[in-house]
Amino acid sequence: QLRLQESGPGLVRPSETLSLTCTVSGGSVRRSSYYWAWIRQAPVKGLEWIASMYYSGRTSYNAALKGRITISVDASKNQFSLNLTSLTAADTAVYYCVRGLASGSGLNWFDPWGQGSLVTVSS
Amino acid sequence: DIQMTQSPSSLSASVGDRVTITCRASQSIGINLHWYQQKPGKAPKLLIYEASRLQTGVPSSFSGSGAGTDFTLTISSLQLEDFATYFCQQSDSAPQTFGHGTKVELK
Repeated sequence: QLRLQESGPGLVRPSETLSLTCTVSGGSVRRSSYYWAWIRQAPVKGLEWIASMYYSGRTSYNAALKGRITISVDASKNQFSLNLTSLTAADTAVYYCVRGLASGSGLNWFDPWGQGSLVTVSS
Repeated sequence: DIQMTQSPSSLSASVGDRVTITCRASQSIGINLHWYQQKPGKAPKLLIYEASRLQTGVPSSFSGSGAGTDFTLTISSLQLEDFATYFCQQSDSAPQTFGHGTKVELK
């Protein structure tokens, strides 16, 4: 059974960079049948897709956050990561790593989800 | 971006009730609509994909229907474990977007 587990700091200061890692167990990030993504959930804004990446290197980013996001995969550790720069209070949210089913459009449903990592941006 | 509007935002129901939740897309999305269940402090869990296909392991009391812009999630007989928040998500065009959720509470 595939499991995803986020890790990262719980508290980050404004203007700094958030680095989150998702460790995948029970399956490989190398599988071309799937892609790997990050989604966040903030109390007011709700669920927001951030970015996706295939092992092949194909990436897609939410334009609302573009320029601030980097997503990468480390197959040797069976992990993928998210970097989000220039943080503000609006980036405070629970961040989830998820798996998506590959398709031509690169868009699909998400399953499974990691348990989530609460990130608070505050000085 | 495609806007996803869920209604109602919350509802109160009793065990055994039939519950219907609606999700409307701001433009046609075919059947590229998926439903999730989220319990407090937990991650969302996929229930239904492509509008009507039940995810493995999900009780048959859950069903989905619709195409184009209007979609429905139905719980035929509400159980205690079904009290949760439900979200819809479209994957027809980027960015993939979610509804704001429908909270199902115990009456």
